[in-house]
Amino acid sequence: ETGVTQTPRHLVMGMTNKKSLKCEQHLGHNAMYWYKQSAKKPLELMFVYNFKEQTENNSVPSRFSPECPNSSHLFLHLHTLQPEDSALYLCASSLSREISGNTIYFGEGSWLTVV
Amino acid sequence: GQNIDQPTEMTATEGAIVQINCTYQTSGFNGLFWYQQHAGEAPTFLSYNVLDGLEEKGRFSSFLSRSKGYSYLLLKELQMKDSASYLCAVTSGGATNKLIFGTGTLLAVQP
Repeated sequence: ETGVTQTPRHLVMGMTNKKSLKCEQHLGHNAMYWYKQSAKKPLELMFVYNFKEQTENNSVPSRFSPECPNSSHLFLHLHTLQPEDSALYLCASSLSREISGNTIYFGEGSWLTVV
Repeated sequence: GQNIDQPTEMTATEGAIVQINCTYQTSGFNGLFWYQQHAGEAPTFLSYNVLDGLEEKGRFSSFLSRSKGYSYLLLKELQMKDSASYLCAVTSGGATNKLIFGTGTLLAVQP
């Protein structure tokens, strides 16, 4: 239990569906992140939010749409995805953007399969 | 640009010692992390190095040489539960302060 909870843990969706991934942290952190983890590839940073404001979009296609209504919640809205978007999506949080030591915590991820 | 290299897979024997290497090239280096990730689980923090030298934490130690862009994770007295992926990650500084990961090393501990 890392204090970062992701739902759903598993999601199968068609290419025309619209779905959302949810992340909630109970750590009082101010920065939240979405990472994508594909087989045999490094974790890829997708988005960074700091105090609810998006500070980084790592050239992510617009079919992925993040939303951060407050510092504790982060969503990733998905629409018209492609099969190659199938991956593990990890949410993380940290107290601030200054990452050092044991300051970034990951959720257990949402396994997404696009059919 | 930024680049992190580590071996894809390693195999070791229970009770032995294994060293997992990581080399990196990054701008604005602010520190290097090692994470452990069991299949289907969240990455969990193992160690953080920002200065040159060895940091020891029980059975796990991590070494950093900033001038060589090199780190290693040393696991002693291997146990079966140490079978996992080990992720090397570096922070690039400046305004973004991002955490950039390598592909991870899948370690299999055999009896």
